[in-house]
Amino acid sequence: QQQVKQSPQSLIVQKGGISIINCAYENTAFDYFPWYQQFPGKGPALLIAIRPDVSEKKEGRFTISFNKSAKQFSLHIMDSQPGDSATYFCAASSWSWGKFQFGAGTQVVVTP
Amino acid sequence: DSGVTQTPKHLITATGQRVTLRCSPRSGDLSVYWYQQSLDQGLQFLIQYYNGEERAKGNILERFSAQQFPDLHSELNLSSLELGDSALYFCASSVSQSASGELFFGEGSRLTVL
Repeated sequence: QQQVKQSPQSLIVQKGGISIINCAYENTAFDYFPWYQQFPGKGPALLIAIRPDVSEKKEGRFTISFNKSAKQFSLHIMDSQPGDSATYFCAASSWSWGKFQFGAGTQVVVTP
Repeated sequence: DSGVTQTPKHLITATGQRVTLRCSPRSGDLSVYWYQQSLDQGLQFLIQYYNGEERAKGNILERFSAQQFPDLHSELNLSSLELGDSALYFCASSVSQSASGELFFGEGSRLTVL
């Protein structure tokens, strides 16, 4: 049972464009929603995270939008750069649950 | 560099064999998580330890076991290996036992079962 569903599986965007990745969750007990970025041959690294008391969080070119009622959250990468080419994972967790549930990942390719 | 060290980086073995993967968490982190990453399955949570005690369990097979030692390093033991166990195994650490903060991942151990 996949508790966090992520889409699309892959996307190609031109340099300067906007990349949008969506995630949906089922467990209403989740209270922490991070996004991780993974480059080939490396482990995932935290990119940005949000808690359900806010609807949006922005860090540089990366923005999380959060819709609690729809149980959805998304990552927007503005002005995409070739260096952003990586696999992005959304995740969800609960402080009382003790484990992070990851989405299946989205491979983003930014073309020059 | 996340500060999490995993060894070995690559491991090739045969079906039916047993292997041990080792993880040293970041200095000061008490929680260790193990994840399996397959091509078509994303990051699958296996197990979490906090300060030597099992904290949470995911879809870990009975052929797999783990432990966290007093010095906080952790080992994941995989036995009676099957072809389908071929995957990248990640260890991650965090400072707290609750899953509400940043996980720091190692670079993984790539296991190939032939």
